[in-house]
Amino acid sequence: EVQLVQSGGVVVQPGGSLRLSCAASGFTFDDYTMHWVRQGPGKGLEWVSLISWDGVTPYYADSVKGRFTISRDNSKNSLYLQMDSLRTEDTALYYCAKDKHSSGWSPLDYWGQGSLVTVSS
Amino acid sequence: DIQMTQSPSSLSASVGDRVTITCRASQGISNFLAWYQQKPGKVPKLLIYAASTLQSGVPSRFSGSGSGTDFTLTISGLQPEDVATYYCQNYNSAPRAFGQGTKVEIK
Repeated sequence: EVQLVQSGGVVVQPGGSLRLSCAASGFTFDDYTMHWVRQGPGKGLEWVSLISWDGVTPYYADSVKGRFTISRDNSKNSLYLQMDSLRTEDTALYYCAKDKHSSGWSPLDYWGQGSLVTVSS
Repeated sequence: DIQMTQSPSSLSASVGDRVTITCRASQGISNFLAWYQQKPGKVPKLLIYAASTLQSGVPSRFSGSGSGTDFTLTISGLQPEDVATYYCQNYNSAPRAFGQGTKVEIK
């Protein structure tokens, strides 16, 4: 059974940093591109970042580029999102998700349970 | 970057009604279009990919169509358990934009 288990929620001050983690099981982790997607309170889904199976190719939404860094450790079946220079508008539920297919362009077929990030002073 | 625009933003329909949601891409994306369903307080769920392919386990009352820039999600016979917000997403490039969502309610 595919599982994506995320780290717990956290409150951080504006300008602060934190790292989210996502532990994967039930599939061959290093075959798949992985993603972070967020959802602000009462808002829609916003794609944040993706990283290729080998960690070589990351992409970011303009809203987080230069502040967030996606990474993965295939030896630990884990995905990470380092979030720096946090702003109040980064407050959201952050989901990790996996590509459905192991090659080519693919939708997201499994999602983590979400990690609530609150940026507030 | 490709922008995805959904309409309507919300709708209310009766049980058994046929419901249609549209999604328009700002440029052609072939059929690299997915639809997700998110029930209140729940994680998003993949419904349809490749514009018209039903994800395993999804009821056949859901269907998708379209190619290029214009896409449609249809629920043929709305059920109470279909109350949710529906999102489209392009996945042929980065950023992988989502539409703004369509909230479906029962009248």
